[in-house]
Amino acid sequence: SQTIHQWPATLVQPVGSPLSLECTVEGTSNPNLYWYRQAAGRGLQLLFYSVGIGQISSEVPQNLSASRPQDRQFILSSKKLLLSDSGFYLCAWSVEGGTEAFFGQGTRLTVV
Amino acid sequence: KNEVEQSPQNLTAQEGEFITINCSYSVGISALHWLQQHPGGGIVSLFMLSSGKKKHGRLIATINIQEKHSSLHITASHPRDSAVYICAVRSRSNYQLIWGAGTKLIIKP
Repeated sequence: SQTIHQWPATLVQPVGSPLSLECTVEGTSNPNLYWYRQAAGRGLQLLFYSVGIGQISSEVPQNLSASRPQDRQFILSSKKLLLSDSGFYLCAWSVEGGTEAFFGQGTRLTVV
Repeated sequence: KNEVEQSPQNLTAQEGEFITINCSYSVGISALHWLQQHPGGGIVSLFMLSSGKKKHGRLIATINIQEKHSSLHITASHPRDSAVYICAVRSRSNYQLIWGAGTKLIIKP
């Protein structure tokens, strides 16, 4: 079956520390992968999407970066976290041209 | 104007009430999703619709493609239904997900 794993569920990090959030997909190959962020009181905003290994498109310039080292692995990173990076981060995947999308459980990041 | 609009933004109701949350969109879509976000942030996918109506337990989702509108209904609402309900559409042109801002639902006992 198709599943998506995202971890950790919650994370508290100090300002200036690095970040690495990982998302892996099972049960499919060559998925489109997405990272979204939801700031407090706001809707989900697309940060990055990837249509293949090493192919990353950024929707919003910011302090974050994404990488796709393997077909079913999508990583969200930062070298130095800012307070404004706090929020809820969601990974999702879909099949190119398909209608279904699948969502991770999300990570609540608090930068202190 | 946002491409996906949800209403109301906030909704407080008494236990047992029938709840309706609306989602309107302005782009051509291949599918529409309803998701539930719990206070801790975890997201649960409730429905994916491309036409008609779906029912799961006390939850019902409908979509009218011509009117570009979807509704999520909760029958016999319960305090455990308290959550943020999010509508997201899959754009037919680029297959990206476009998200609504969410509806915060509070059900009082």
